[in-house]
Amino acid sequence: IAGITQAPTSQILAAGRRMTLRCTQDMRHNAMYWYRQDLGLGLRLIHYSNTAGTTGKGEVPDGYSVSRANTDDFPLTLASAVPSQTSVYFCASSDGGWGIDNEQFFGPGTRLTVL
Amino acid sequence: GQSLEQPSEVTAVEGAIVQINCTYQTSGFYGLSWYQQHDGGAPTFLSYNALDGLEETGRFSSFLSRSDSYGYLLLQELQMKDSASYFCAVRDPRAGNTDKLIFGTGTRLQVFP
Repeated sequence: IAGITQAPTSQILAAGRRMTLRCTQDMRHNAMYWYRQDLGLGLRLIHYSNTAGTTGKGEVPDGYSVSRANTDDFPLTLASAVPSQTSVYFCASSDGGWGIDNEQFFGPGTRLTVL
Repeated sequence: GQSLEQPSEVTAVEGAIVQINCTYQTSGFYGLSWYQQHDGGAPTFLSYNALDGLEETGRFSSFLSRSDSYGYLLLQELQMKDSASYFCAVRDPRAGNTDKLIFGTGTRLQVFP
């Protein structure tokens, strides 16, 4: 693994189903993030984690949950999917703290369609 | 609240120079970043300005004026491969000791031959 991986690449899901999007990084970064990207709305933060064992809510957390059991993994769960959660989901990571340049590294994304 | 504004679309021809502006409103400020995203791809980091002035990296430069709450990304000698969306971002001042960012809605750059 090099960088950040996400799975699945894409998924079509029936409304009401539970879904977990997976994210793994191998850079030993402290901080991880989940964004959704919708046309015209840019990147909106769903949840984040500053370090293993801690999580926080972003701009659009409703309907989503996360966990951070270890440094490498940061899964995002939709407990009961709704059509408005149709989006492209990006996981990202960063060193965290007062880094030199705040750079975040992004995974390739998961395209989710909820019908 | 925290907000960033950038134009939704910019067009230019190969070889030209284009400037993408970003104005921000935040309760605190720790620097302005720029990210590039090609269609179907992931955002990738381009540059970061913490202090006023121009930072140059090859064909791309980024400028910041903290007194004007304004920055821009300058792309020179445009190439077709520069067609992408460009996002400015600031560190969320409410986030404390983290890299948590607030992104603008993006500027779509189309480069024509």
